[in-house]
Formats: sequence, structure tokens, C-alpha cells
Amino acid sequence: NAGVTQTPKFQVLKTGQSMTLQCAQDMNHNSMYWYRQDPGMGLRLIYYSASEGTTDKGEVPNGYNVSRLNKREFSLRLESAAPSQTSVYFCASRKLGQAHQPQHFGDGTRLSIL
Amino acid sequence: QKEVEQNSGPLSVPEGAIASLNCTYSDRGSQSFFWYRQYSGKSPELIMSIYSNGDKEDGRFTAQLNKASQYVSLLIRDSQPSDSATYLCAVIFNTGFQKLVFGTGTRLLVSP
Repeated sequence: NAGVTQTPKFQVLKTGQSMTLQCAQDMNHNSMYWYRQDPGMGLRLIYYSASEGTTDKGEVPNGYNVSRLNKREFSLRLESAAPSQTSVYFCASRKLGQAHQPQHFGDGTRLSIL
Repeated sequence: QKEVEQNSGPLSVPEGAIASLNCTYSDRGSQSFFWYRQYSGKSPELIMSIYSNGDKEDGRFTAQLNKASQYVSLLIRDSQPSDSATYLCAVIFNTGFQKLVFGTGTRLLVSP
């Protein structure tokens, strides 16, 4: 079972470069999420997509854009990378519409911006 | 008040002891609660869920829920060094979107 798959696993960028992080899930979940995690900060929600065709800002959306390409895929784009965006990025998915559904996480993308 | 609050720790316990991790939440209408374990450099992994008041046991793990006090806890019996990780509490808030809110996690250290 693949679950939630993120690519790439590691990336180093220079300031000002652009990059798209990819996420795909094979669990037929309707909601997908992008988080960043920095030391001591916990998980911070960047953007989410409650269902195919919708996207909404989370608590730290500045500097990012997202695309919900289809039900399976949700990408995160950094248009002009900044050192402050150095972080570990997690994608997650969840089945809304049923009670008690947890989120399932991908393995993460470790992004360094020089 | 934070929506989901946890003591950041670290909580240090000797091998074989009971580790007790606590979490409080702000939404009185919340119905679903989860505990995730996150090893350093890894992604969060779901280990327990609880929906009703009382205790729920799964192996060495017991989740406890008290909705009146807006409190959920995780007990780890016979703690092992391999249990050393950060434990995240997550709560589904009673909003139209069923928002899942994470605490910042408690770091647990189990010493041999």
C-alpha cells in the first residue's frame, strides 16, 4: 500500500529559484493538506483542499501556491524560494464526510534553501 | 488559549515505567481524538484514536478521554527506549469542515 507519496524526498534550492513539491494519495481520500514543520514549531498548515476543485489557505500560506490537480494529486509550489522556507514539508490526506477520520501522512520532503 | 495544548517536555522516564502524556483542547464539541508518534526525521504515525469517554487500550498503549474536562491522555506501559519520540495529540473540531488540529507535541525520552 503506497498511501501518501511525496516527491522529491530531498531538495536543495538557491534563493529565488522555483520548485513544485508533488503529493499523491491512493486511498480515495477527498481532503488533502500541506504542512511545514520546523524545529520546536510543530506542524503548521500551509494550504488545504477539502475536496477536488477547492483550495484554501491555512495559517502560513505566504510564499506558496497549491494546485489540486485531481482527486489523487495536490501540489505545492514555491515561486521564489527564500531561506525562511527551509523546512520539512508533509503532505497528508483524509476522508471527510465520515466521522472519526484521521489524517495519513507522507514521508516528507526535506527542503533547504541557500 | 491554544486550540490543542501539550507540554513540550521532554518527559523523561526510565525503561519499564509508565509514561503519561497529556493534552487539553478548547472545542467542547469535539468528538474525535488521535495520538500520533513521530520519530526524529520521520513523518507522524497514527497510534491511537478515541471517541468515547473513558479508556481505550491497545497493547501497551491506553488512551483516556474526559470530554467534560476537555482532556485526553496517552499512557504507555512498560516504556521502552524505542518509545522515545515526539507524541502529537490531534483533535477534530466541531466545525463545518471537521478541522483537525494538532498540538505541538510532547517529546518522550525513555532511558535504559
